[in-house]
Amino acid sequence: DAGVTQSPTHLIKTRGQHVTLRCSPISGHKSVSWYQQVLGQGPQFIFQYYEKEERGRGNFPDRFSARQFPNYSSELNVNALLLGDSALYLCASSWTGYEQYFGPGTRLTVT
Amino acid sequence: AQRVTQPEKLLSVFKGAPVELKCNYSYSGSPELFWYVQYSRQRLQLLLRHISRESIKGFTADLNKGETSFHLKKPFAQEEDSAMYYCALNFGNEKLTFGTGTRLTIIP
Repeated sequence: DAGVTQSPTHLIKTRGQHVTLRCSPISGHKSVSWYQQVLGQGPQFIFQYYEKEERGRGNFPDRFSARQFPNYSSELNVNALLLGDSALYLCASSWTGYEQYFGPGTRLTVT
Repeated sequence: AQRVTQPEKLLSVFKGAPVELKCNYSYSGSPELFWYVQYSRQRLQLLLRHISRESIKGFTADLNKGETSFHLKKPFAQEEDSAMYYCALNFGNEKLTFGTGTRLTIIP
């Protein structure tokens, strides 16, 4: 198993545009969480999905949305991009308990 | 609201010397705490969790509820310990709050 995978690795968007980030969890993991990591800060929780249902949402505006598919992969969508959305977006998956396995991240740059 | 504080952004330690990375938390519930590590060009990975009380790569961490701390310790630093270390608090159902991280550099 390659572990948690995320795509794309990098992308550059313009203010006001929309972006979709993708995550494939480790096989057998049913929970996926998304985090935003701004340079110099620790990861900040955005969303958690379990069995295709939203289980939690962090303190992020409604421009951020996510979903989980029947195969447990997940998408994070951000609308009306702002310069402040530039960050590394991390996906993590877990099976049970609290051990989360992180992906390599998608680095988003908004210009 | 939950909070995790790592007071040191940078920490340099000589090889063979003891290491202590500080972590303090505030949380009204029963805390579940973790240390994550990120080596250069690698993804974030779990180092240890307090409930397992394991020693991983020579590191240990004890949860002190009285002082609301979860400091990471290692008696003898090795060069391969150089990395970014994050303390994290589970605030319910696998949602984590992270500290700002400490970059540990081991001086040969």
